[in-house]
Amino acid sequence: EIVLTQSPATLSLSPGERATLSCRASQSVNGYLAWYQQRPGQAPRLLIYDASNRATGIPARFSGSGSGTDFTLTISSLEPEDFAIYYCQQRSNWPPTFGQGTRLDIK
Amino acid sequence: QVQLQQSGPTLLKPSETLSVTCTVSGASINNHYWSWIRQSPGRGLEWIGYVYHIGSTIDNPSLKSRATISTDTSKNQFSLTLTSVTAADTAVYYCARGKGAASAIMEFWGQGTRVTVSS
Repeated sequence: EIVLTQSPATLSLSPGERATLSCRASQSVNGYLAWYQQRPGQAPRLLIYDASNRATGIPARFSGSGSGTDFTLTISSLEPEDFAIYYCQQRSNWPPTFGQGTRLDIK
Repeated sequence: QVQLQQSGPTLLKPSETLSVTCTVSGASINNHYWSWIRQSPGRGLEWIGYVYHIGSTIDNPSLKSRATISTDTSKNQFSLTLTSVTAADTAVYYCARGKGAASAIMEFWGQGTRVTVSS
């Protein structure tokens, strides 16, 4: 199965700053990569699918990029509600797999 | 508005059978892909399987055929059954719906069901 490695494990930033989160796959996922946000006590929430498509209702400050094995989630200007854990997930190969997550903390 | 409502928390002993149900409103389970995913501190997020076209299911080989996903169209529900549980099956279990024709883009999620396996 495809292993997804996210970095950094923890990112400490202030509101208004730009956040860049990375996800690297053990083999090409052909662009079939999604990003989810999870707040404490809540289910994951779909942000980005197929590398760069924003899900319905997701603010424009969230953007995704990348191809092959290397992908990036960028949050252009952090809002207080953006401090959460972010997961990447691939659907190129069965079974779908998730990264271990990046925790975005308030500095 | 699509909503997924899951059954309540469960405490099980090793070797018992886990059963969790997801009731869907705002969409028909005759359409889309309906998945189960679990999350634990040790294993992170793990795909269990999905059901589609009512009666067709695919599950994660890592569960060694212990998982069964079934549907009840009269109640617009789908369920997960996991046999022979161990402490390693302790997790929060989520149901989710796929986006459009994509099985593995989870657009809508249930609130989660905490399952604890302990002797």
